[in-house]
Amino acid sequence: QKEVEQDPGPLSVPEGAIVSLNCTYSNSAFQYFMWYRQYSRKGPELLMYTYSSGNKEDGRFTAQVDKSSKYISLFIRDSQPSDSATYLCAMSGGSGTYKYIFGTGTRLKVLA
Amino acid sequence: SAVISQKPSRDICQRGTSLTIQCQVDSQVTMMFWYRQQPGQSLTLIATANQGSEATYESGFVIDKFPISRPNLTFSTLTVSNMSPEDSSIYLCSVEDRKRGLQETQYFGPGTRLLVL
Repeated sequence: QKEVEQDPGPLSVPEGAIVSLNCTYSNSAFQYFMWYRQYSRKGPELLMYTYSSGNKEDGRFTAQVDKSSKYISLFIRDSQPSDSATYLCAMSGGSGTYKYIFGTGTRLKVLA
Repeated sequence: SAVISQKPSRDICQRGTSLTIQCQVDSQVTMMFWYRQQPGQSLTLIATANQGSEATYESGFVIDKFPISRPNLTFSTLTVSNMSPEDSSIYLCSVEDRKRGLQETQYFGPGTRLLVL
């Protein structure tokens, strides 16, 4: 079993839809949870950063962490064609434990 | 957050040769990381490079194959040695940085696309 599981997609949605992207993990030591967006032929770009459980909102993006279920989500509201990218979840054990474990990424396509 | 550049952006190489990838950061950072990203697979950490000490390699990666230099706080190189087609991948440099008072987290360069024939 991989430490982090992420559905690779591709996921196609119409413009304006709410998108839900998810990752599950097995290591209960993870404390920091990140979402990166990667456009084709570019490096990953940090999108959201969450510590421990709870929700965090930034514009159209909401990150949720449920440590009891070992499940994290990224919601994108009012999705736009410019949101078409691969979304990678990443997690780490916290301060002093710098190693990030990444999911394989979910390819998202928002259709105009 | 730090601005990271990588050279070359892409290359096509013959098997048996070596390629050195450069990573330049616009600010001083303590920790730099090298990752490999293969199609359909998650980013895999190759090694961590701290200035003034030997790089720390992850399981499955060895110094003879992926020698790393870290001469100062803004620069690092990764060499892919004696290349084979299996080394075809995207190689990414990242740094640990603090953004707007957040806990330090990692930021990535644009990557180097390597194709080995």
